[in-house]
Amino acid sequence: GENVEQHPSTLSVQEGDSAVIKCTYSDSASNYFPWYKQELGKGPQLIIDIRSNVGEKKDQRIAVTLNKTAKHFSLHITETQPEDSAVYFCAASRFPSNFGNEKLTFGTGTRLTIIP
Amino acid sequence: DTEVTQTPKHLVMGMTNKKSLKCEQHMGHRAMYWYKQKAKKPPELMFVYSYEKLSINESVPSRFSPECPNSSLLNLHLHALQPEDSALYLCASSQVSGQGQPQHFGDGTRLSIL
Repeated sequence: GENVEQHPSTLSVQEGDSAVIKCTYSDSASNYFPWYKQELGKGPQLIIDIRSNVGEKKDQRIAVTLNKTAKHFSLHITETQPEDSAVYFCAASRFPSNFGNEKLTFGTGTRLTIIP
Repeated sequence: DTEVTQTPKHLVMGMTNKKSLKCEQHMGHRAMYWYKQKAKKPPELMFVYSYEKLSINESVPSRFSPECPNSSLLNLHLHALQPEDSALYLCASSQVSGQGQPQHFGDGTRLSIL
């Protein structure tokens, strides 16, 4: 099955600086890669996702890049703000998948702290 | 505010109790999911329902029993739980499953087993 590794496990960044979180996946057939932000006491919130037919996607201060050859993808947050402090999870899945085979595999998470 | 609503937000129960967790979405999604999340860990998939049919059961103990009464509702019935079952239980939904559609999560039910 798919295995997703995520680094670093913790990251502290000065407010206004950029943060980068990296994930690698094992299944070359994986083609859908979402990123989730989880604040304390809340469920994971989808912040951006990318499919394998695209190398980069951007949404305001957040961007995701994908390197299919190396099987890794990264989350980039620019101009960080205190409200960006949270745990971030990457994930991977493949589609289309048959009934009974659809599954999202998560990375182990990165605790991001923005220092004011 | 999340579009997936879970109740209750907190639940404390004894090992002999029977309780149910509820999840509701009104986004017209046809796939719904139950996840278990322990502290400082990623969510672990428990069950997937696709068009109200159970699609994935990740070898979850029988003391957890899912139910999908219709496309908007998902229940998780609990019976004779163990202390190690204490966790955050998350519900999610997506338009369909297996098609690279994003999953949207609720804020979970924090379950404590005494």
